[in-house]
Amino acid sequence: EVQLVESGGDLVQPAGSLRLSCAASGFTFSTYAMTWVRQAPGKGLEWVSVISDSGGSTYYADSVKGRFNISRDNSKNTLFLQMNSLRAEDTAVYYCAKGTGRSCFSSSDHWGQGTLVTVSS
Amino acid sequence: DIVMTQSPDSLAVSLGERATINCKSSQSVLYSSDNKNYLAWYQQKPGQPPKLLIYWASTRESGVSDRFSGSGSGTDFTLTISSLQAGDVAVYYCQQYYLIPFTFGPGTKVDIK
Repeated sequence: EVQLVESGGDLVQPAGSLRLSCAASGFTFSTYAMTWVRQAPGKGLEWVSVISDSGGSTYYADSVKGRFNISRDNSKNTLFLQMNSLRAEDTAVYYCAKGTGRSCFSSSDHWGQGTLVTVSS
Repeated sequence: DIVMTQSPDSLAVSLGERATINCKSSQSVLYSSDNKNYLAWYQQKPGQPPKLLIYWASTRESGVSDRFSGSGSGTDFTLTISSLQAGDVAVYYCQQYYLIPFTFGPGTKVDIK
């Protein structure tokens, strides 16, 4: 059974940093692209970032480019999102999601339960 | 960026009746090299993460009820729930994964009439 468990969400002050993790199990992690999607309270889904199976390709939404960094450790079946220079508008539940293939250009067939990031003073 | 729009914003359908949700992209998401539409549909129930229903615009995800079907090509797409059940109450999102940044529609809330 595919399982994705996010962690690392917290209350952080504006301009602060946070690192989210997503522990994956139940599939061959190193052969699938992985994605972060966020959802602000009461709002819709916003795509944040995607990383290819090897980690060689990464892409970002304009709203986080230059501030967030996606990475993965295939030896530990873990996905990361390093978030710097956080703003109030980054407040959201952050979901990690498994792609349907190696390529970044795929849909997401399994999702974690999400971790809440709150940016506030 | 590709802008995704959905209509209606919300709809209420009687149990057993058909529900239809439309999704439109600001540019084509049909990739000529593989003739695939890079369009997915997700269902999100309150307090839960999204669930993949349909990918490549019309391919049903494994385990998804055959009451859910997707159609369309290019810029215009439709998600149909053939016979609405109580468990289908949710917000439905379309998403394009053709061009970075991948973008979601604003969502359509489906309720029981």
